[in-house]
Amino acid sequence: KNEVEQSPQNLTAQEGEFITINCSYSVGISALHWLQQHPGGGIVSLFMLSSGKKKHGRLIATINIQEKHSSLHITASHPRDSAVYICAVPYGGSQGNLIFGKGTKLSVKP
Amino acid sequence: DGGITQSPKYLFRKEGQNVTLSCEQNLNHDAMYWYRQDPGQGLRLIYYSQIVNDFQKGDIAEGYSVSREKKESFPLTVTSAQKNPTAFYLCASSIAGISEQFFGPGTRLTVL
Repeated sequence: KNEVEQSPQNLTAQEGEFITINCSYSVGISALHWLQQHPGGGIVSLFMLSSGKKKHGRLIATINIQEKHSSLHITASHPRDSAVYICAVPYGGSQGNLIFGKGTKLSVKP
Repeated sequence: DGGITQSPKYLFRKEGQNVTLSCEQNLNHDAMYWYRQDPGQGLRLIYYSQIVNDFQKGDIAEGYSVSREKKESFPLTVTSAQKNPTAFYLCASSIAGISEQFFGPGTRLTVL
């Protein structure tokens, strides 16, 4: 079974700052997911990536397969980015089931 | 609109009562999942189903039961055997064998 560690657990930033959230896992994977959970509880998928880098608007996700590490970056952060960001990877050997990190709670102050 | 619905958003029950949480999807996904979320913890898998009329226990299945009689529906029953049922419950679905999952809005269950 894979283990997923996220850091930091909590992050407070000023509007406009560059944000980095880290995720490391223990077992080789086919893909890694970054998810966003808003205060109301709903979860949306931000990225699914298996190599390199993906960008969507102000969000950038990178993964280093050899080091078993991924980062989520937010450029020019805004208060509406305040949410919990969750990293998830497949169970070892399973394509469908996921194991989740505990999440990073981001608060962006105006 | 395609998506996953969960109802109700908030649910209150007395201790000792069974309660059923609804999850419906119109994405034509084969696989469906139930997760529990507690403060400071990652989502934990309760049950999952890869196909109609079949389901498997996840990491924390004790005190819960599910059914999968229709592709669109995957209700979760929290039984009185569940020692600490107060939590946030999330349902998700995916194409079978693909790890990207789509989540419902969740149900917050409080047992009084």
